[in-house]
Amino acid sequence: AQKVTQAQTEISVVEKEDVTLDCVYETRDTTYYLFWYKQPPSGELVFLIRRNSFDEQNEISGRYSWNFQKSTSSFNFTITASQVVDSAVYFCALGDMDSNYQLIWGAGTKLIIKP
Amino acid sequence: NAGVTQTPKFQVLKTGQSMTLQCAQDMNHEYMSWYRQDPGMGLRLIHYSVGAGITDQGEVPNGYNVSRSTTEDFPLRLLSAAPSQTSVYFCASRDRQGAIDTQYFGPGTRLTVL
Repeated sequence: AQKVTQAQTEISVVEKEDVTLDCVYETRDTTYYLFWYKQPPSGELVFLIRRNSFDEQNEISGRYSWNFQKSTSSFNFTITASQVVDSAVYFCALGDMDSNYQLIWGAGTKLIIKP
Repeated sequence: NAGVTQTPKFQVLKTGQSMTLQCAQDMNHEYMSWYRQDPGMGLRLIHYSVGAGITDQGEVPNGYNVSRSTTEDFPLRLLSAAPSQTSVYFCASRDRQGAIDTQYFGPGTRLTVL
């Protein structure tokens, strides 16, 4: 069965600290896709990144970086030098063939950045 | 391009009432989905459609109906609202071409059932 686990319900850090959000997934497919979305207090869902299962290269986008490790079925998200505007709920999601690539979502991690 | 639009943004229903949540997209996407978001549970798939005339159930379909008569529209019907259906509902669409790509989400409908 497909499953996404975000064990951290809530994380609180002081501005400028680095923070890592964990995501562990389960799937039987060899081809699948992993996503991170941001949901700010305004409620909309903002796409951050998609990673294909055959591409384990880590990615950096400004202060954001993602570490994909198939060996541990993890797709962790790090924010460097966090800012108050990073405060949001962050969701990790999995799309695979068994689910017709409809996304299976983690429960989300609420990130609070204190000034 | 308006993207994915949802109406209404807010709705309060009484138990037993029925209503339809509207979703439309102008990107000619074949895949459309409905999710509900409850506190601490992430998003759960209610129903989805891979094209006009084709729908299928997701993880939590009970109490909801969908239809897809056109590519653009994918309404979600609550047959007899229950307090357990109090949630935020998101509609999403994506293109079938190539590998799965980003889903485009609507702004959400916040539904309260009393």
